[in-house]
Amino acid sequence: DAMVIQNPRYQVTQFGKPVTLSCSQTLNHNVMYWYQQKSSQAPKLLFHYYDKDFNNEADTPDNFQSRRPNTSFCFLDIRSPGLGDAAMYLCATSRVAGETQYFGPGTRLLVL
Amino acid sequence: GQQVMQIPQYQHVQEGEDFTTYCNSSTTLSNIQWYKQRPGGHPVFLIQLVKSGEVKKQKRLTFQFGEAKKNSSLHITATQTTDVGTYFCAEINDMRFGAGTRLTVKP
Repeated sequence: DAMVIQNPRYQVTQFGKPVTLSCSQTLNHNVMYWYQQKSSQAPKLLFHYYDKDFNNEADTPDNFQSRRPNTSFCFLDIRSPGLGDAAMYLCATSRVAGETQYFGPGTRLLVL
Repeated sequence: GQQVMQIPQYQHVQEGEDFTTYCNSSTTLSNIQWYKQRPGGHPVFLIQLVKSGEVKKQKRLTFQFGEAKKNSSLHITATQTTDVGTYFCAEINDMRFGAGTRLTVKP
């Protein structure tokens, strides 16, 4: 059974058109993470939530926002996607910070 | 945050050969995790190392954490085609991944 679910798996958007990616988890984990992974690169942490506490990485562009309305769901909003934002976006969870991270299958974003 | 350097970037081996990837940090790591990402897939947790000098094994995979907790390695004995993928180390506190080592295996 899928534990970390990401929708959609593929997303095509236009330059400057807002897009929202979603992540849900059935693990009841406290921590949820969003990563950006470009081709042949390592995942780069954008931000994470410890419960409702939001933690933004210093170099995450303001263009990226996140919401976590409850334990199970977390959203990544890209307000004005640019061509450079085309990437795989990975959601992950862990029971507490520093423990095993469980990754979802990712959403591949294409910006036209 | 701490930077974790990982080498080599790529490794191509003949099936049956051994493979090793290394991670190094200029500062002491509290602990380190290893992940595997198959082509087109997502990272999957392999192991976490916490103690100085720790060695853990998973079948043909051997993970080591240096005595000074500044380096770590993953060694695969007698690679198989199923080992293909990118292996990442990750520093836990800042959740920074090493650049990864992409392993390809020729049958």
